Amino acid sequence: DAGITQSPRHKVTETGTPVTLRCHQTENHRYMYWYRQDPGHGLRLIHYSYGVKDTDKGEVSDGYSVSRSKTEDFLLTLESATSSQTSVYFCAISDGLDQETQYFGPGTRLLVL
Amino acid sequence: GENVEQHPSTLSVQEGDSAVIKCTYSDSASNYFPWYKQELGKRPQLIIDIRSNVGEKKDQRIAVTLNKTAKHFSLHITETQPEDSAVYFCAASIPENQGGKLIFGQGTELSVKP
Repeated sequence: DAGITQSPRHKVTETGTPVTLRCHQTENHRYMYWYRQDPGHGLRLIHYSYGVKDTDKGEVSDGYSVSRSKTEDFLLTLESATSSQTSVYFCAISDGLDQETQYFGPGTRLLVL
Repeated sequence: GENVEQHPSTLSVQEGDSAVIKCTYSDSASNYFPWYKQELGKRPQLIIDIRSNVGEKKDQRIAVTLNKTAKHFSLHITETQPEDSAVYFCAASIPENQGGKLIFGQGTELSVKP
């Protein structure tokens, strides 16, 4: 499965608390992405990275921030979690040769109470 | 920006029948169109993709067709089997100099009845 792991795999938290999700890859791929998946909406891009310390916003970036200090790690932070951020979060990676082909991590299920 | 519409949202077929899922996109600059299969509780898995210089691509029972003029592409599954039951997502790329982004359709839940 393309050497992608996500942690934690499940998390329950309370409204207003900060949450950080981690995506780790062993493929040395340049591009990394964070998506959220909700019923009826498919997969929506939150933020993506095209290199260490190079990130940009996706279509649903409000309330989220990201950081990439190493090629292998891409962190997604919810500064103050809200119930609307209850979702399944997927990380994806793609390489520089065929950069549009994306491979997904196993996902993190987040519940904000 | 790019918008991808996917139909139908649910599809039920008998085992052995064919299934067709259709997607339309809005950005004529899109040039890469992957399809993902997602089983319950699992990650999306790439099953087939097509680029804009090709009109059709086949891989065993799965085929994808692309009509760039009409801006639509379709997934065809022949001789469906119960293990084909899953949610299928189409996507279209937004070409960028710094990493291609994908815009996904809303998904089609395919049910294959034995």
